[in-house]
Amino acid sequence: GDSVTQMEGPVTLSEEAFLTINCTYTATGYPSLFWYVQYPGEGLQLLLKATKADDKGSNKGFEATYRKETTSFHLEKGSVQVSDSAVYFCALIAGSGGGADGLTFGKGTHLIIQP
Amino acid sequence: GAGVSQSPSNKVTEKGKDVELRCDPISGHTALYWYRQSLGQGLEFLIYFQGNSAPDKSGLPSDRFSAERTGGSVSTLTIQRTQQEDSAVYLCASSLAQGVGGYTFGSGTRLTVV
Repeated sequence: GDSVTQMEGPVTLSEEAFLTINCTYTATGYPSLFWYVQYPGEGLQLLLKATKADDKGSNKGFEATYRKETTSFHLEKGSVQVSDSAVYFCALIAGSGGGADGLTFGKGTHLIIQP
Repeated sequence: GAGVSQSPSNKVTEKGKDVELRCDPISGHTALYWYRQSLGQGLEFLIYFQGNSAPDKSGLPSDRFSAERTGGSVSTLTIQRTQQEDSAVYLCASSLAQGVGGYTFGSGTRLTVV
């Protein structure tokens, strides 16, 4: 079945550091890929998405590129802020019409940014 | 409504009691999803509704769990005879249709079974 693998957390960085959170996936067909963010005490918010190979999703300074050849969708940000501290989830919807199973999520990566 | 609304936001219940969790999706969103978020377990898909119909209920953890949706809008997730392992955050999401748009999540219901 479909699966998403994320790097284990917590990831602790200093403010203004470069961020990479790795995400790889296994899926049939051509999935759409997402990053969601969950700030403390809140629900999940869509951060960015990409629906086909080589697409780059971007939002709030975060970027991720859909790499079909490496089945990856790594999240990057050039200079993180304390306010970026949250849990980040990589997710996919199978291209075969995966609504019956909903989004498949990774386990989440807790990001801690220190001043 | 403007967003996905879930109630209650927090629920503490005694083991063995029944609980009902409510989700009010964004108006016009035909697809509705329930997930469970347990500490250290990530997000677990429970059930999906397209309109009032749930094509696949196999994601529900046990027969103590049931869900329904009426009028293509509000959904309730019911847990009977709660157990301590049911303690988790239950998240609801909705979307215009199954597929690629991404979902809008509610803030969740934190359930604690004591």
